[in-house]
Formats: sequence, structure tokens, C-alpha cells
Amino acid sequence: DAGVIQSPRHEVTEMGQEVTLRCKPISGHDYLFWYRQTMMRGLELLIYFNNNVPIDDSGMPEDRFSAKMPNASFSTLKIQPSEPRDSAVYFCATGRGGQHYEQYFGPGTRLTVT
Amino acid sequence: GENVEQHPSTLSVQEGDSAVIKCTYSDSASNYFPWYKQELGKRPQLIIDIRSNVGEKKDQRIAVTLNKTAKHFSLHITETQPEDSAVYFCAASKGGGADGLTFGKGTHLIIQP
Repeated sequence: DAGVIQSPRHEVTEMGQEVTLRCKPISGHDYLFWYRQTMMRGLELLIYFNNNVPIDDSGMPEDRFSAKMPNASFSTLKIQPSEPRDSAVYFCATGRGGQHYEQYFGPGTRLTVT
Repeated sequence: GENVEQHPSTLSVQEGDSAVIKCTYSDSASNYFPWYKQELGKRPQLIIDIRSNVGEKKDQRIAVTLNKTAKHFSLHITETQPEDSAVYFCAASKGGGADGLTFGKGTHLIIQP
């Protein structure tokens, strides 16, 4: 298995632009999590899905952030409009749930908003 | 919500010595406690985890202990090697793998040759 796949790996954009981050989970994993990592705030959960349904979005910082999972093989995290304080590494992680507790992280997308 | 505190923020040990990193959590309903290792520019990688029905777990040079009464858990690395240098994160979850993780702020472990 290729593991969790994220794209793009790096994104540089100007303030006010729309940014879309993508994640392909490990096949058979029905939980998908979006995390953000910054020096100031560390690793924090933004939102997670189970069987493509959003379960907890309490970590989404503002209405500028939205996430979707249209099918079991694909999820997006969108920021519109982007701001410099959104600069961070965004990780997607997936897991199988049930008695399988482990979450496996993708390589991350490093977002820089200028 | 859950709050995870991690100490120390930086730990420097001589190669071959042991390293201990400690975490406390606030929500007594938490039942899953993983530890992740993150090298510079890389993804967090799970190195060991423990569930609330177990007090200790060991995997070669790495061990984790859990004290549910005191709500703290620790990572122990013995016979440290240069490749152990990284940032280590503890985390907690209430729903096992069916819930998001709350992370500590991380410990930068430095192995001195």
C-alpha cells in the first residue's frame, strides 16, 4: 500500500487566494482526520470523518475553512480566502476504527500564504 | 475538552543513556495514548501506543507506562542511539481510533555522541 497520499506537498499562495489541499486515504480505512501543525500551536485536530461523514469539526478555526469527503478515496480541505496566519503544515491521517486504534499520517502539505 | 501537557520541551542525553518523557491528561474518559516520533520535515510516525486497560507496554528499547489514577503516562527509551534524535509527541483520545487525537507540545530529544 502506498500509504496516505497528500497533494500538493508544497503550496505558496498570496493572501486572499483560495487554497485546496487533497488527501487519499489508505484503502480500507474509514476514518480520516485533518490536522494542522504550527510552531505556536503544535499539532491540532481540525476535523474528522467516518465513512465520508463529518463527525467533529469543532477544530475548524473559522468559516474560511471547509472540508469535504465526497467518497471513500478522497478528501479536500479548502481555505477561502487564505490569510498569512494560515501558513502551516497540514496533515491528513487515516485509520480503521473499531479495535484498530492506530492513525497513520500522510507526508503533509506545507502551506505558505504571503 | 481534553488537555495534554508534555515535559520536558527539550531533553539532551548522552548516547547509551536512557530518556524519559512525561505527559499528563485532563479527561478521565481518554482511553488511548499513542506516542509519535517526528524527524525534521517529516510526518509524525507512531512508535508505540497503550490502551487504558494496560499499565505498561514494551517494544525493544521503547516502553510506555500509564497511570490512570494520576492521569499520566510516560515514554522510556533505553540505550539511546543517534537515530533517536527527533521530536516526540504524546497524544490522547477518548474513542480509541474512532476519535481525533489531542497532542502534547512535543519534546525535542537530542542524543549527544
